[in-house]
Amino acid sequence: EAGVAQSPRYKIIEKRQSVAFWCNPISGHATLYWYQQILGQGPKLLIQFQNNGVVDDSQLPKDRFSAERLKGVDSTLKIQPAKLEDSAVYLCASSLGTVASIEKLFFGSGTQLSVL
Amino acid sequence: QKEVEQDPGPLSVPEGAIVSLNCTYSNSAFQYFMWYRQYSRKGPELLMYTYSSGNKEDGRFTAQVDKSSKYISLFIRDSQPSDSATYLCAMSPFVQGGKLIFGQGTELSVKP
Repeated sequence: EAGVAQSPRYKIIEKRQSVAFWCNPISGHATLYWYQQILGQGPKLLIQFQNNGVVDDSQLPKDRFSAERLKGVDSTLKIQPAKLEDSAVYLCASSLGTVASIEKLFFGSGTQLSVL
Repeated sequence: QKEVEQDPGPLSVPEGAIVSLNCTYSNSAFQYFMWYRQYSRKGPELLMYTYSSGNKEDGRFTAQVDKSSKYISLFIRDSQPSDSATYLCAMSPFVQGGKLIFGQGTELSVKP
């Protein structure tokens, strides 16, 4: 079974530039998440999609971050303009989203963003 | 105060040692508890999950939850160099649809 695919693996930009990350979840997974992991910290949820609708974006800095999930499958996360404190690993995760069992998240390898 | 506290380590042990990793939490609404393992430059992978107080065993790993003390643990028996990774606890008030709150992770190194 193919895992969660993310690209690019690494990105270096200057502050005030824009950047976009792409995620392809595991086939059949209804729920997709974007997490931000700052060095030395645990992942923090930015946004959660159920199919192509937003379930939770309460911790997404909406003045600079945006995300969409196209046709309920792939997703992109964009930062515009980037700040130094946005330097982090951006992790995409997906889950089946069924109500019958505990939610098990499968993570991609992430995109490491450095803002200079 | 953070909702979930985890000692970041690093923790270094010899091969074969028993490892104890711990998290404390403040939100009594948390009902579901998970342990994730994260290798360097990889995403976290789910190791174990539980939703009740007590112990749950899976091979060399045992997850322990004490809701009265708001304290969870992960024990690794007969630790191997391949166990070297960062271990993240995570918890949620809901079985589905609730965002996971992660601890900051404990970095473990098992020396041959």
